[in-house]
Amino acid sequence: GESVGLHLPTLSVQEGDNSIINCAYSNSASDYFIWYKQESGKGPQFIIDIRSNMDKRQGQRVTVLLNKTVKHLSLQIAATQPGDSAVYFCAENRDMRFGAGTRLTVKP
Amino acid sequence: EPEVTQTPSHQVTQMGQEVILRCVPISNHLYFYWYRQILGQKVEFLVSFYNNEISEKSEIFDDQFSVERPDGSNFTLKIRSTKLEDSAMYFCASSEEGRVGTEAFFGQGTRLTVV
Repeated sequence: GESVGLHLPTLSVQEGDNSIINCAYSNSASDYFIWYKQESGKGPQFIIDIRSNMDKRQGQRVTVLLNKTVKHLSLQIAATQPGDSAVYFCAENRDMRFGAGTRLTVKP
Repeated sequence: EPEVTQTPSHQVTQMGQEVILRCVPISNHLYFYWYRQILGQKVEFLVSFYNNEISEKSEIFDDQFSVERPDGSNFTLKIRSTKLEDSAMYFCASSEEGRVGTEAFFGQGTRLTVV
């Protein structure tokens, strides 16, 4: 069936480095994607979104890239900080369903 | 900043009992959602609600579950005859628009423990 999923379950980076978290989707009709961050014991928190008519969108320290050809999106976090440590989910908004998530750990 | 609030933060119940989880969505939002997250696992969609009726539900949302908007501010999830496997974090969310084109704001969750 259609699904939204993550390539890697964990990612460990050094503080100050850039992080890249990947997500694959299978529903070619998907036209809106969101990245959420979930810190331990908290609910998901919106980070950034992108529509399918775009291939890149930038926020504060974050960039989302969308490649519709291979149905892949990524979240890039610049100058990763300890506060960025969390689980990151991509979601396809058409049915608000989440992939399994990638746990990002930032080492000081 | 407006936020989604959920009560209680932690609910312990005996197997077979009914529980009601409560949520107050953001006031101008029209779409409401429930999700659950079993410890260590992914967030799973349960149901979406709009215009006083369910707009979509997952295979998890069986007859054991029901949702209600009893007044203009609350949105509840009722679980009848709870089972041990219902133990999870339950998150409520709301959004201005449904499905496409808007982010959803999540509450802090209710941790349900069935013993």
